[in-house]
Amino acid sequence: QVQLQESGPGLVKPSQTLSLTCTVSGGSISSGSYYWSWIRQPAGKGLEWIGRIYTSGSTNYNPSLKSRVTISVDTSKNQFSLKLSSVTAADTAVYYCARDLLGLASDWFDPWGQGTLVTVSS
Amino acid sequence: QSVLTQPPSVSGAPGQRVTISCTGSSSNIGAGYDVHWYQQLPGTAPKLLIYGNSNRPSGVPDRFSGSKSGTSASLAITGLQAEDEADYYCQSYDSSLSGSDVFGTGTKVTVL
Repeated sequence: QVQLQESGPGLVKPSQTLSLTCTVSGGSISSGSYYWSWIRQPAGKGLEWIGRIYTSGSTNYNPSLKSRVTISVDTSKNQFSLKLSSVTAADTAVYYCARDLLGLASDWFDPWGQGTLVTVSS
Repeated sequence: QSVLTQPPSVSGAPGQRVTISCTGSSSNIGAGYDVHWYQQLPGTAPKLLIYGNSNRPSGVPDRFSGSKSGTSASLAITGLQAEDEADYYCQSYDSSLSGSDVFGTGTKVTVL
């Protein structure tokens, strides 16, 4: 079964760029009609979808974050990545990667990685 | 702020039935977009519970059921168990502005 694992720095300074990678195991990132998404959750708060990528490189981003987000994919490494620029304390959260399944009338996310905490602080 | 509103908390005794509402609008649930539900146990990642309004993935007990009507959706848990104590989130798509996947505000289920 497919498993996802996030990796990257746990501490990022304000105004810098947050960079995370999600490694997919148990299956090829290129197989099937799947997108691959990033989702975040500030401590004690709800979930926020950040964006998604297809293995062709096609992307969709949350409009509220679009100006700062870049998601890319490396099919040779079975990985996809997130870059969030000009971070502030408001970007402190647990970041999850997830497989994004295409439904007829909206997508759903399954499975999810275990999540990685990123703190923005000087 | 989320465009999908859930009650902050619901509670019930073991064996009881509880329901969680997810209220949207004409740009998301009311526009015909499907609703999905996730369970988040303390300290863990969310897990898919219901997809496509009412479908259970393999391995999810049939105590969990979902429904959708108009601009709202609901998750029902029958025969409540202690292990069901968790946060629950609905999720759909919103077509306003440039469009985006959106999550509900989340509901904490407490087993009394």
